[in-house]
Order: sequence, then C-alpha cells, then structure tokens
Amino acid sequence: EPEVTQTPSHQVTQMGQEVILRCVPISNHLYFYWYRQILGQKVEFLVSFYNNEISEKSEIFDDQFSVERPDGSNFTLKIRSTKLEDSAMYFCASSDIEDHSGANVLTFGAGSRLTVL
Amino acid sequence: AQSVTQLGSHVSVSEGALVLLRCNYSSSVPPYLFWYVQYPNQGLQLLLKYTTGATLVKGINGFEAEFKKSETSFHLTKPSAHMSDAAEYFCAVSDKDSGGYQKVTFGTGTKLQVIP
Repeated sequence: EPEVTQTPSHQVTQMGQEVILRCVPISNHLYFYWYRQILGQKVEFLVSFYNNEISEKSEIFDDQFSVERPDGSNFTLKIRSTKLEDSAMYFCASSDIEDHSGANVLTFGAGSRLTVL
Repeated sequence: AQSVTQLGSHVSVSEGALVLLRCNYSSSVPPYLFWYVQYPNQGLQLLLKYTTGATLVKGINGFEAEFKKSETSFHLTKPSAHMSDAAEYFCAVSDKDSGGYQKVTFGTGTKLQVIP
C-alpha cells in the first residue's frame, strides 16, 4: 500500500538553528499538508499546498516557516530559527483529488519528532 | 470554521467490553467526518469516514461510527475491545480552506486503554 515517508524520524537541534523536515508524499497525490502535534496536545493544521503554492496556512505558520516542493517528489518544511515551543511531532500528509463524494482523505506519514533544546 | 469536540481525553475499558468514543461536531454545511487512530510512536491512520449516503459507516479493525445529524454526533464504537485497540483516537472534520481545497481539523483526541 502506498505510504507517505518522512525523514528524519527524530531530530534534536539547538534553539535558533534551521531545521528542514522532509516528506515524500504518495506519488499521484496532488495536495500536501503539514500538521504538528505538541506532546499531549491536539493535532494542529499548519499549511496546505497545491499546484506549487500554499493554499492555506494557520496562525502558527509564521514567517519562520516555509514549505517547498523542490523536485516534484519531496515536500519539505523549513523552520528558519527554531524556538523551544517548536518542539513537536510534525506530520506530513497528502491526498488525491476529491473522491466521488467530494471528500479528500489524507494519508499521513509516521511523523518527525523535533526536539529543540 | 468547523470543529469537533471529543468528550473524554482518556477512556478505559475491559478487554471484551464495548468501546464508545464520543465526538460531536459543529458545522454550517453537511460535514465530512473521520476517525483516525494513532498507535504509539506511529502516524495517523484512517479508521473510517463519513461523506454521504449510509449514516452507519464501518471501518477497519471492527470499528464503526454513526452519523447523527440531529445530535451533531459521530461516535465511534466497537462491540468487543481487544488489547491491540489501545491507542489514541482522533475525530476530525473536513472543510474547505480559503483556496477551496479541503483541510482536516482534528479533535483533541481520546486515549483508549484496554484492561486485561
């Protein structure tokens, strides 16, 4: 079964450092997303991406965050200058065009755990 | 914006007992509703979804959920809990973002503990 692959599975970084989290979505999917889950809290939407541009972003997704699809297969999330509060599990997801009912079903990766010290 | 509320952050059941995880949604339009499961140290896996049609939807691992519009609920049930069902369960609703594309909004999650 096709899956979304994320790397690294765990990254530890110092506050102020840049971090890039990588995702390989399912190959024929067109919509891409990043979510995050701070330990013990809900899964929060960060950004959606379609047709090589951001479709929507949340309040969390400030100027420190950026996304890119550099080569047609990878989908990256960059945090320019990490803060302690960026420590979380980051989930990438992708989805196909809407199914016959009009719903997008997201397939999630296993997540990248970011720890900022 | 649409939202979901999950009642109970932790639920404990005995092995073999009924599992009932509650979810209520708010929506101004007919919603698309989902249940996802997260096993320890793993990603989010789709259990089941409601889009249109039959209000009782069946998912993987013996789970099912019923969409009740009058109660704005989408509770998740399983007749008999297994030890392997211990996980965190997230109810979610899908709506259109400002670009017209769907995004999923999650509830706060319910951790299910199964007691032998």
